[in-house]
Amino acid sequence: DTGVSQNPRHKITKRGQNVTFRCDPISEHNRLYWYRQTLGQGPEFLTYFQNEAQLEKSRLLSDRFSAERPKGSFSTLEIQRTEQGDSAMYLCASSRGQGNSEAFFGQGTRLTVV
Amino acid sequence: AQSVSQHNHHVILSEAASLELGCNYSYGGTVNLFWYVQYPGQHLQLLLKYFSGDPLVKGIKGFEAEFIKSKFSFNLRKPSVQWSDTAEYFCAGAGTASKLTFGTGTRLQVTL
Repeated sequence: DTGVSQNPRHKITKRGQNVTFRCDPISEHNRLYWYRQTLGQGPEFLTYFQNEAQLEKSRLLSDRFSAERPKGSFSTLEIQRTEQGDSAMYLCASSRGQGNSEAFFGQGTRLTVV
Repeated sequence: AQSVSQHNHHVILSEAASLELGCNYSYGGTVNLFWYVQYPGQHLQLLLKYFSGDPLVKGIKGFEAEFIKSKFSFNLRKPSVQWSDTAEYFCAGAGTASKLTFGTGTRLQVTL
């Protein structure tokens, strides 16, 4: 399968713990996006990368959130000191980033903070 | 601020009925518009997209959408729905960075 891959698919963690999610984009795509989706809502933009450079961060991304894409390939999203409000589906998407290019989404990581 | 709104939150149709889901956008400058579908347990998939040109765009599975600039709308249509169209549908807009702004989604339930 050459689509966007996210791991893990599900994560249950205790409040206050740190969690890290991984996203492997489609190999020739140089843009990578993170979104968060809560029940009954559409996905909300968190941040995006052009190759290894993080070009934009949403105000939704508090100081407890950090994302990296060290070699311009896979990306990680870390949440420190998780809170119950962090429970959501975290979606990764990638695109070619050239002109008008569509984004392809992974299946997401569902985070539950207990 | 960029925004996309979907007015139908939950739609129930019988098989073979016609479908129209509303989407309105508010963007400064050029906007690209998309409809995504999420089938139960699956990832978001692109149904169709509008970048420029013919305002009537055709997508997969018999869906189409019409971009009406004067109404800031991009409604999704299908002449005859099938049970397999049961899913959640998201309208989204993107500016130059291809960062998507989504609507809240419409849950479509098709009954036999």
